[in-house]
Parts: sequence; C-alpha cells; structure tokens
Amino acid sequence: GAVVSQHPSRVICKSGTSVKIECRSLDFQATTMFWYRQFPKQSLMLMATSNEGSKATYEQGVEKDKFLINHASLTLSTLTVTSAHPEDSSFYICSARALTGELFFGEGSRLTVL
Amino acid sequence: RKEVEQDPGPFNVPEGATVAFNCTYSNSASQSFFWYRQDCRKEPKLLMSVYSSGNEDGRFTAQLNRASQYISLLIRDSKLSDSATYLCVVNVGTNAGKSTFGDGTTLTVKP
Repeated sequence: GAVVSQHPSRVICKSGTSVKIECRSLDFQATTMFWYRQFPKQSLMLMATSNEGSKATYEQGVEKDKFLINHASLTLSTLTVTSAHPEDSSFYICSARALTGELFFGEGSRLTVL
Repeated sequence: RKEVEQDPGPFNVPEGATVAFNCTYSNSASQSFFWYRQDCRKEPKLLMSVYSSGNEDGRFTAQLNRASQYISLLIRDSKLSDSATYLCVVNVGTNAGKSTFGDGTTLTVKP
C-alpha cells in the first residue's frame, strides 16, 4: 500500500523554540495533505488542510501564524510549530490523500516542549 | 450537529462476539467512505473502503446506506487483537474535496 513518512517521530525542545515536522508521500503524489493533533485519549483533531502550491486552510481556532504549513511539492508538506510552549506538546499526525480518496497516515510525531 | 457522528462506546465484548458500529453523516453529497483502525499511540491505518454494494474482508463487513446516510462496520468472531479505536472517514467531492472524521468508537475485546 501507499506509504507516508513523517519525521521526526519524537522531538523534545525548549519553550520558545520552533520545531519543523515533515510529511512525505513516498510512492504517490498528493495534492492534498492534512495535519492533525491528538491529545491522550482524545480523538484526532484536524488542524489544517495543506494544498500543494497554495495556502493552507486552517480549522477554526488554529492559529496560522503559530502553525506554519508549507506544501511546496506534490510529495512534501511541512508543519512548523513556532515559539513552542508546553501546551503545544502533543501527537501530531499528517495524512496524504490518494486519487482514490483514501487517506494514508504518517507515523506521527510526538512533541514534548519543556 | 457534527458532520460525521459515531457512537464513542466503549464497546466491551467477549472473544468470539459479533459487534457492529455505525457512523452517520450529514452531507448528502458525500462520495466515498472508509473505516480506519487506530491503536493506542499509533497513527490510523486503513481497514477497508466502503462500497455502495457492501464489501467483506474476512471477518469484517462494511455497508453503506445512502438513503439513511450511514455506514456500518460488522466484526464477526472478535479477537483480542481487534481491540482498538475504529474511525469512519467520509469524503465530500473528489480529490480536492473534504475528508471528515468521526471521533471514533473504542472496542475492547476481552478473554
């Protein structure tokens, strides 16, 4: 099946620093990728929809200046958490949508902000 | 009302039981439907697509009811390894359209 690679899988950073997470579709082109956040024992929360070559569409309540999304190519989208704080600690997951409509997920990135 | 709704459960069933989950959607323009499985602290993985005519994969059967706007997942002969959260995903439109998740239904299969 299709593979989506997400990196890094774990990151620990100091408060105030920025962290970049990469999401790559390895064997198909994805014009649309999605970024989610998931807190323990809670459901996935869609943060934004990333469209190749255009600005991301953010869900209500998600700060676009804090969570910068870039989808510069058909196989790569990046999420940068700027000036991270402890409350940003979470499990961040990306997905890429294939032409068939199925979503393929990255392995997730666990962010801990000290 | 949420666009996609699932009974959160939890469903606690003994091994060997048959269990069914439903997922309702509000947008009649929805075109494609999927069931995903998410294990604790892992990413969701595609379990099966849901076709208009219904489809089966081993112990798993998925069905779509467009008139009532819901999809279902039936698991027969439950195994301990089936314990997970099951998410439905509904797509509106084609490749550039919107994918909406349900909040998931948690299943625990007990010995």
